[in-house]
Amino acid sequence: GQNIDQPTEMTATEGAIVQINCTYQTSGFNGLFWYQQHAGEAPTFLSYNVLDGLEEKGRFSSFLSRSKGYSYLLLKELQMKDSASYLCAVMDSNYQLIWGAGTKLIIKP
Amino acid sequence: DAMVIQNPRYQVTQFGKPVTLSCSQTLNHNVMYWYQQKSSQAPKLLFHYYDKDFNNEADTPDNFQSRRPNTSFCFLDIRSPGLGDAAMYLCATSPRGDTSYEQYFGPGTRLTVT
Repeated sequence: GQNIDQPTEMTATEGAIVQINCTYQTSGFNGLFWYQQHAGEAPTFLSYNVLDGLEEKGRFSSFLSRSKGYSYLLLKELQMKDSASYLCAVMDSNYQLIWGAGTKLIIKP
Repeated sequence: DAMVIQNPRYQVTQFGKPVTLSCSQTLNHNVMYWYQQKSSQAPKLLFHYYDKDFNNEADTPDNFQSRRPNTSFCFLDIRSPGLGDAAMYLCATSPRGDTSYEQYFGPGTRLTVT
């Protein structure tokens, strides 16, 4: 079966750095997405990785290792507004997104 | 601004009373998706349309149906809502279904079943 695993919840301090991990097993691979979802709102796109390595976009970076079936999202200089759920999703061989359940990130002052 | 619009944002319906949720898009995207998301869970794909080609996920209950009368609009019909159907329903679009594009989400409709 297809499976995406990410931690349920993480806590970090304002101004710090946090890394959210995601491991996956899917039927084929056409890229990995990270979305941010604030409580009661729709997911918004953060990043897309299809090749191995690190993609940096401002305070957010995303890393992919296809051989290990592994990705992480790195958030730097954390702000209170970064409190949200972060969903990892993999596009399979049929171009369908397989979603993780999300990691709830709690930022403390 | 080009966007994905969902109406209503909040919907309350009675157990067993049919309800329709709507989605429209000004992005002119070929693909439209309906997801169901319950609290702290992954979005669950119910249907998607690639142009007018309808694709029903294997585990989508028969109680759920969908219509896409044109490129811009898509509807989700729940024929006889049960308490277990209370959830956030998310509409999303994508330019194409055969390449890796991000999906653009509407704000969602939160459905309450009483």
